[in-house]
Amino acid sequence: EAQVTQNPRYLITVTGKKLTVTCSQNMNHEYMSWYRQDPGLGLRQIYYSMNVEVTDKGDVPEGYKVSRKEKRNFPLILESPSPNQTSLYFCASSRYRGDQPQHFGDGTRLSIL
Amino acid sequence: EDKVVQSPLSLVVHEGDTVTLNCSYEVTNFRSLLWYKQEKKAPTFLFMLTSSGIEKKSGRLSSILDKKELFSILNITATQTGDSAVYLCAVEWGGGSNYKLTFGKGTLLTVNP
Repeated sequence: EAQVTQNPRYLITVTGKKLTVTCSQNMNHEYMSWYRQDPGLGLRQIYYSMNVEVTDKGDVPEGYKVSRKEKRNFPLILESPSPNQTSLYFCASSRYRGDQPQHFGDGTRLSIL
Repeated sequence: EDKVVQSPLSLVVHEGDTVTLNCSYEVTNFRSLLWYKQEKKAPTFLFMLTSSGIEKKSGRLSSILDKKELFSILNITATQTGDSAVYLCAVEWGGGSNYKLTFGKGTLLTVNP
C-alpha cells in the first residue's frame, strides 16, 4: 500500500531537548515536504526536498533542520525545541515538485512544554 | 499579507443544504489551485484546477476557477453530516526554481442533521 509514514504520532517533551520526527514514503517519490498546522493559520511549509541531498527552506524554516540522505526518508529535526513549535506536523510527498496530489502522512502532534 | 484567502472561515448548515466555499488569491506566476478536505487527520485531495471556466465535478462536489478575477469556488450540494470538515484551498505559484505552495486558513463546515 502506497503511504507516507510519520513517527511518532504524538510527543510531549520539554524545551531544549533535541527531537526528530521521521517521515518515510514507499512510492519512490522525489519530492518531499514538511508542513506545520496551527489554529487560525492553516498549513505552512517548513522545508522541502526535490531529491536526495537537495533541500530548501519553505515559509517558516526557523528552528528546524532537515536532511535527505535517502530518497524514501525525510526527517525533521528540532535541535532545541521551544514552546512556539508546539503544533501539528505533516509530511507529504509527490513524484516531483508540482505533481499533484501530494500524499500526506497522518500527522505528528508535538507539545513542547 | 495573506496570498490565499478563504471565506467564510466557518459555516453551519443543515443536512440537504447547498454550500459555496470561496477562495481568492493574489500571487505571481499562478500554476494551479487545489482543494483539500481535512477531517481529523491529513488533508485529502479533492480537485486541482488550472484552467478558467472548466468545472471539475465529483459526486455532490464541484469546483471552478476564475483566473481573471483570481478566485475559485467549491460547491457542495445536498450536504450530509459526513461533509463536516475543514476545507482547504492551496495555490501553487512562482516561476522557475522559485516555486511555492501556499494554503489558505481553511473553512470549517459543520453540517447538522
